[in-house]
Amino acid sequence: KAGVTQTPRYLIKTRGQQVTLSCSPISGHRSVSWYQQTPGQGLQFLFEYFSETQRNKGNFPGRFSGRQFSNSRSEMNVSTLELGDSALYLCASSLHPANTGELFFGEGSRLTVL
Amino acid sequence: AQSVSQHNHHVILSEAASLELGCNYSYGGTVNLFWYVQYPGQHLQLLLKYFSGDPLVKGIKGFEAEFIKSKFSFNLRKPSVQWSDTAEYFCAVNGRTGANNLFFGTGTRLTVIP
Repeated sequence: KAGVTQTPRYLIKTRGQQVTLSCSPISGHRSVSWYQQTPGQGLQFLFEYFSETQRNKGNFPGRFSGRQFSNSRSEMNVSTLELGDSALYLCASSLHPANTGELFFGEGSRLTVL
Repeated sequence: AQSVSQHNHHVILSEAASLELGCNYSYGGTVNLFWYVQYPGQHLQLLLKYFSGDPLVKGIKGFEAEFIKSKFSFNLRKPSVQWSDTAEYFCAVNGRTGANNLFFGTGTRLTVIP
């Protein structure tokens, strides 16, 4: 069974640009969560989607947004990039939100903002 | 607000030594607790979880963790570590039952010397 797939794996952007990251969950998994990982703040929850609806959102500015498609694939977008947005962005999937924390993570998309 | 503290940032052990990694959490309601592990070059994966019942839970690869409610702790243990246990270990708590928004600790890097 294929794992969680994230694209692109690496990308470099400049301040003010925007970026879109993609995540394909494990087949059959309908819940997708996104996390930001940085050396200073560690892993922080961004948002969770289930059935194309955002169920939870972390404490991030509105520049961070996401969506989920009918096939459960998800994208997240960061607009007006800032230097502090440089991070590893992790996507995780689970069968259902009620799995309460049993997440399967992808390898992440490493974003560098110059 | 929910928070998770992992007091050991980097632990270095020789093979066959016993391991205990500390984790304390702050949360006002019912908790689900997790340990995730990230081996070098691999994605984050679930090591073990506690939802309810027996406070001593066993996970993969001989790891176990004990939930002590009075101390708000969920320490990870292994009686005899192996070189292959070299990894980063993250403690996490579920923010709300029925959701997948985890609050992670900052992680503990374990180095096992052969």
